[in-house]
Amino acid sequence: AQSVTQLGSHVSVSEGALVLLRCNYSSSVPPYLFWYVQYPNQGLQLLLKYTSAATLVKGINGFEAEFKKSETSFHLTKPSAHMSDAAEYFCAVSDAYNTDKLIFGTGTRLQVFP
Amino acid sequence: GAVVSQHPSWVICKSGTSVKIECRSLDFQATTMFWYRQFPKQSLMLMATSNEGSKATYEQGVEKDKFLINHASLTLSTLTVTSAHPEDSSFYICSARDLSHSNQPQHFGDGTRLSIL
Repeated sequence: AQSVTQLGSHVSVSEGALVLLRCNYSSSVPPYLFWYVQYPNQGLQLLLKYTSAATLVKGINGFEAEFKKSETSFHLTKPSAHMSDAAEYFCAVSDAYNTDKLIFGTGTRLQVFP
Repeated sequence: GAVVSQHPSWVICKSGTSVKIECRSLDFQATTMFWYRQFPKQSLMLMATSNEGSKATYEQGVEKDKFLINHASLTLSTLTVTSAHPEDSSFYICSARDLSHSNQPQHFGDGTRLSIL
């Protein structure tokens, strides 16, 4: 069975500050890991994904995440927050052998203050 | 890039009516599409996997007769909420995978907000 835990349902940062959104996973098989962003009343947009290649993954909009097997973590970071980064962020895991089934975390709402 | 279109984006209807939501892959073919449900301020929960030309696979706890899925072509899947009631009000999101790129992740539609009065 697989699961994802996102620590912190809400994260607030000032514009220009570091963004850190936490994600820990549980998987009995090699995982694929994803970060998605959701703006109000919209679907999900893929930010980045880990598929067993490089452990440091760079995505769109300046985001990156590092896969740490020893810590079962896949935290999302961005060096400098923009106002436009305010949104809901979801971490998701899938089985490397069955990438169709995505298991989502409960989401983290990021607020960016001027 | 790949685009998935959902229609309608918002629907309000009376209790007891049936509502059909369409999910289209605009520039790629998808033998498999996925339907998710999202309650306010919560995560997405997979409801069912829609398979072109065959029956959908429903997740545990999802009523097959309540949520009818039809995947008649490689670019269209529909979800029909039958005899909708207020508790069916939710945000429904579909996704699809590009057949020609097996290692690519799912592409999501913009969702349909369903409100049952």
